[in-house]
Amino acid sequence: DAKTTQPNSMESNEEEPVHLPCNHSTISGTDYIHWYRQLPSQGPEYVIHGLTSNVNNRMASLAIAEDRKSSTLILHRATLRDAAVYYCILTGTDKLIFGTGTRLQVFP
Amino acid sequence: NAGVTQTPKFQVLKTGQSMTLQCAQDMNHNSMYWYRQDPGMGLRLIYYSASEGTTDKGEVPNGYNVSRLNKREFSLRLESAAPSQTSVYFCASRKTVWDRGKAGELFFGEGSRLTVL
Repeated sequence: DAKTTQPNSMESNEEEPVHLPCNHSTISGTDYIHWYRQLPSQGPEYVIHGLTSNVNNRMASLAIAEDRKSSTLILHRATLRDAAVYYCILTGTDKLIFGTGTRLQVFP
Repeated sequence: NAGVTQTPKFQVLKTGQSMTLQCAQDMNHNSMYWYRQDPGMGLRLIYYSASEGTTDKGEVPNGYNVSRLNKREFSLRLESAAPSQTSVYFCASRKTVWDRGKAGELFFGEGSRLTVL
């Protein structure tokens, strides 16, 4: 059922940009791309979403490939509080499946 | 702002016992979800309810039943708990809207930590 694939883990230094990739080669025309993050011992929280165009909000930016088969979550300046598991999911149906996500480690 | 409220937050059961996890949302969302998360793993969908009066199986429905009591409440029942059901359970909801595709962000509860001995 999983429609997205992400690297298991990534590392970054504090204040450096982080690019978290997600592949979704079977995306349909009505699928939105959502990103969530899960801090330790908490429930996941929404980060950003998009359909076709790149998106920016106060937390992050989302870059969507022209063919929509991949996307990248961009944290412009990583902080220690950004250490979390990041999930990319497609939301075109009601059956919302999460993959294993990417565990981001941020070093001081 | 309450958002999504889960009860209980912690529960210890013996094998074979039954229990119900309760979830309520106050955001007038139409869709609700139950996920489980085993240690060090991602979220797996157990059941979901796209609208009041409907429920559907997710990835791992065996051993669970659900009830969408009304628009606000979605409960998850373990009829005969097994150690393999030891996990953290998350309830989520979203207002599904149509905007060139199904949109609407998920809001999660804080989780219910269940241990089955």
